[in-house]
Amino acid sequence: AQSVAQPEDQVNVAEGNPLTVKCTYSVSGNPYLFWYVQYPNRGLQFLLKYITGDNLVKGSYGFEAEFNKSQTSFHLKKPSALVSDSALYFCAVRDIDGTGANNLFFGTGTRLTVIP
Amino acid sequence: KAGVTQTPRYLIKTRGQQVTLSCSPISGHRSVSWYQQTPGQGLQFLFEYFSETQRNKGNFPGRFSGRQFSNSRSEMNVSTLELGDSALYLCASGGVAGAGEQYFGPGTRLTVT
Repeated sequence: AQSVAQPEDQVNVAEGNPLTVKCTYSVSGNPYLFWYVQYPNRGLQFLLKYITGDNLVKGSYGFEAEFNKSQTSFHLKKPSALVSDSALYFCAVRDIDGTGANNLFFGTGTRLTVIP
Repeated sequence: KAGVTQTPRYLIKTRGQQVTLSCSPISGHRSVSWYQQTPGQGLQFLFEYFSETQRNKGNFPGRFSGRQFSNSRSEMNVSTLELGDSALYLCASGGVAGAGEQYFGPGTRLTVT
């Protein structure tokens, strides 16, 4: 069974400082990992994904994520936080079972607040 | 390219009624997935349609159903509404099976009174 854990409900960081939002996963096979962001009263916006290859994945808005297979983690990072990065962040995994099904399993979300 | 659209954006229904939500995917996308988002349960997968066939289904009661049309537009129906069905219902479309990311619509906020 697939699962995703986001251990922190809330992360606060000062503007200009680096930020990290944590995610760990559990899947039976090779993981396809995703990060999404949700702004108030909006749907989810895709940030980045890891399928295979380089463990450091670069995405939208200056975000990047590091895939660590031994620690089963996929932490989201940004070198310098902006106030506009304040939002709800979701980590998700798709377990490839051969059917091609497109369902995602989401973490519980981490609310990021960037303090001016 | 236009994004995923969902209608209506807001809906208020009474317990026991039924509701139909609509989703138009990104042009060319054949996969449409539906998710329920609530403060208590988070984001939960409902079902996915691909080429008019339900390909996968989450753990929801039979009151929740869906369908997809030949133009890839999808509808989701909830019958005999319960207070606990109040949620944000999100639709997502995908182009490539299995490997690609999904693109989400703005959601339909359903309130059951």
